[in-house]
Amino acid sequence: DIVMTQSPDSLAVSLGERATINCKSSQNVFYSSNNKNFLAWYQQKPGQPPKLLIYWAFTRESGVPDRFSGSGFGTDFTLTISSLQAEDVAVYYCQQYYSSPRTFGQGTKVEIK
Amino acid sequence: EVQLLESGGGLVQPGGSLRLSCAASGFTFSSSAMSWVRQAPGKGLEWVSGTSSSGSNTYYADSVKGRFTISRDNSKNTLYLQMNSLRAEDTAVYYCAKDYYCSIGSCYSDYWGQGTLVTVSS
Repeated sequence: DIVMTQSPDSLAVSLGERATINCKSSQNVFYSSNNKNFLAWYQQKPGQPPKLLIYWAFTRESGVPDRFSGSGFGTDFTLTISSLQAEDVAVYYCQQYYSSPRTFGQGTKVEIK
Repeated sequence: EVQLLESGGGLVQPGGSLRLSCAASGFTFSSSAMSWVRQAPGKGLEWVSGTSSSGSNTYYADSVKGRFTISRDNSKNTLYLQMNSLRAEDTAVYYCAKDYYCSIGSCYSDYWGQGTLVTVSS
């Protein structure tokens, strides 16, 4: 199974500042035949189910604010919140869908400093 | 509006069985792969099982293989998870998820239900 490792486990950021979450996969999740990284990001607010934010490593889901962006290639990926808002307090998960079983990172908790 | 409504959770003794249901609406259920993902209390997300749109292909995590069975009734727009030989470590919120893109059984999900809690305890 592909192991997904996120860092840090938690971070506290001031309102309006940048938050950066890293995700590393134990194997390459880039598929050369379609030139895509099989990597998604989800946001889970307290007491709610996960919500899809980004897929193909950097494609924003419809309705997701543009302060959320994804980047990376191969085994190293990043989710950036460019200007943290109060409603962004949540746990964020990366997930690979390159191979079965799909696997998630352990989650990164984002709080307000 | 896509809606996924799970039901069937509850308290069950170790070794017991439970069947979860997920009623879907707001999209063409028969065209969508579907999955179950669980989250133990205070823990992260773990994919449990998935099925293709027709139900002809099913996939399981090693941790539940041989104990859990996923199925669907496209005439009723409903997804199921039959859980047998339950263990304490199966205690979790179980989410039903609509899969958007899949590659050989591994998908990402674009919609999730609110979840149903399964507690395995004596």
